[in-house]
Amino acid sequence: QVYLVESGGGLVKPGGSLRLSCAASGFTFNDYYMIWIRQAPGKGLEWLSYISGSGDTISYADSVKGRFTISRDNAKNSVYLQMDSLTAEDTAVYYCARAAFMIRRVMAYWGQGTLVTVSS
Amino acid sequence: DFVMTQSPDSLAVSLGERATIRCKSSQSVLYSSNNMNHLSWYQQKPGQPPKLLIYWASTRESGVPDRFSGSGSGTDFTLTISSLQAEDVAVYYCQQYYSSPYTFGQGTRLEIK
Repeated sequence: QVYLVESGGGLVKPGGSLRLSCAASGFTFNDYYMIWIRQAPGKGLEWLSYISGSGDTISYADSVKGRFTISRDNAKNSVYLQMDSLTAEDTAVYYCARAAFMIRRVMAYWGQGTLVTVSS
Repeated sequence: DFVMTQSPDSLAVSLGERATIRCKSSQSVLYSSNNMNHLSWYQQKPGQPPKLLIYWASTRESGVPDRFSGSGSGTDFTLTISSLQAEDVAVYYCQQYYSSPYTFGQGTRLEIK
């Protein structure tokens, strides 16, 4: 089975930084795009970023471009989201997801999410 | 950006009855090079992450019951649950993956009447 486990969430002050991690297992990690999505409390879903299996193709939503950085370590079967210059609007549950086979922008498997709260 | 608009925002349907959720894109998500609609549907039950139901507008993900079906093309799409079961209570989201940012609809909350 595919498992995705996010970690690194927590309470951070406005302007602060946080690094989220997502540990993957149950599939050949470097064969798949990985994606980060977030969901503000009581709100809908927002796609944030994806990274290709090799790490050479990356895309970001405008809302996080220049503040968030996605990366991966295929030796550790992990994907990361470095989040800088955080504001209250970044408060959300952050999910990592694995793309569907051959459909890089469809999220076939999701982790349980990690909560990020930005507050003073 | 593509704006995805779902209707209705909430829906109450009796057990065993049909539920229909609509999704309208501000621009066509039909990709001419492969003649496929870049549209997916997700189900999110309370306290859980979303689950992929349908991609390419009408292809059911493996393991998804056949009471779930997707249809439509271009800008107008429908998710249909043919015979509502209690376990189908959830929020349903459509998403376009035609163009970045890969936007979601606002969600439709489905309840039992």
